[in-house]
Amino acid sequence: GAVVSQHPSWVICKSGTSVKIECRSLDFQATTMFWYRQFPKQSLMLMATSNEGSKATYEQGVEKDKFLINHASLTLSTLTVTSAHPEDSSFYICSAVHILNTEAFFGQGTRLTVV
Amino acid sequence: GIQVEQSPPDLILQEGANSTLRCNFSDSVNNLQWFHQNPWGQLINLFYIPSGTKQNGRLSATTVATERYSLLYISSSQTTDSGVYFCAVDLNFGNEKLTFGTGTRLTIIP
Repeated sequence: GAVVSQHPSWVICKSGTSVKIECRSLDFQATTMFWYRQFPKQSLMLMATSNEGSKATYEQGVEKDKFLINHASLTLSTLTVTSAHPEDSSFYICSAVHILNTEAFFGQGTRLTVV
Repeated sequence: GIQVEQSPPDLILQEGANSTLRCNFSDSVNNLQWFHQNPWGQLINLFYIPSGTKQNGRLSATTVATERYSLLYISSSQTTDSGVYFCAVDLNFGNEKLTFGTGTRLTIIP
């Protein structure tokens, strides 16, 4: 149990286009999901907290207009990278916190390359 | 903000060896988790261990919350244990945000 599915696993897009990444908790409900970004050989940095039915909370330095987050249900959150630029190329990972406890489970990650 | 430091940053071992990875954190925490990030980037849950000791096969972990550290033990290492190990903590505020440690890159040589 406790599976989080993230899609797509990798995506290549042109500069100026938008990319949507989906994060689903397959077998549990999660009122809270988180989005992280990871650069090569570095740790994970939290970008934003996504709560079902309310606006996302962004960490300092993260542009909310560039990284749009929608948490439509207790099992689905989406991250849209708008007007992507090469510097947005990175590994993006979502996590979902089990509604019954505070353990976090992570998706497979999405490797975004902007050309 | 809370600081989470892991040591050592890099560790290279022969297959069959044992290892101890350490996670120090600067503030009291509500939760602590250990993860293994495989070469494809997937984070695999190892332990959910805000305090006490747990064992799962060749792996075990101990968290001493009062002294603000946690240890991950890997015994009889295998090449599939290679990857980056992260500890992550959430503050005692109930918002469940995880702050990740700096990571330990483990390489097991056949």
